[in-house]
Amino acid sequence: DTAVSQTPKYLVTQMGNDKSIKCEQNLGHDTMYWYKQDSKKFLKIMFSYNNKELIINETVPNRFSPKSPDKAHLNLHINSLELGDSAVYFCASSQDPGAGTQYFGPGTRLLVL
Amino acid sequence: TQLLEQSPQFLSIQEGENLTVYCNSSSVFSSLQWYRQEPGEGPVLLVTVVTGGEVKKLKRLTFQFGDARKDSSLHITAAQTGDTGLYLCAGAWDNFNKFYFGSGTKLNVKP
Repeated sequence: DTAVSQTPKYLVTQMGNDKSIKCEQNLGHDTMYWYKQDSKKFLKIMFSYNNKELIINETVPNRFSPKSPDKAHLNLHINSLELGDSAVYFCASSQDPGAGTQYFGPGTRLLVL
Repeated sequence: TQLLEQSPQFLSIQEGENLTVYCNSSSVFSSLQWYRQEPGEGPVLLVTVVTGGEVKKLKRLTFQFGDARKDSSLHITAAQTGDTGLYLCAGAWDNFNKFYFGSGTKLNVKP
């Protein structure tokens, strides 16, 4: 059973397009996260939701909008994609925010052309 | 500016050798985690340390949290090819609901 799953695994798109990445966890966790990993492998938190409420919103352009329809899902919508958005986006979940084990998904590799 | 600096950035060794990688910061953390990430996958938690001076062992891996809770080290004894991967440290503070990740050490263990 997959604990944290993301779709799609690969996403290639043109600059200016709008795209969404979906994440689901079946661990019963209350907290979910979106991270961005750049080409140098630096992993940076973008957003965190706890019980469907936004608790962390780092300095991310407002072209990025997370949505949590329920505790098990956290989607990421990106408007007007730019070249610099190319990266690997990881979803993660944990039982509590900021503590304990974070379980990461397999990542979505986004390439903006 | 990165809160957590990891060194070395890259490390290539022969199977059977010992190695140590470091995670340093000028900030004091309430807890610190080590993850390993294999190519094409997400990071997987190896250990969490919370007490200054704490040492934890996971088979051939030994983790130490600095006395001042500003730094940590990961020592691998008799490295195996399966240890190859990106090692990430991540620190958290009590009042903040998030972990800051370090820049990573990419380890390659050659057969």
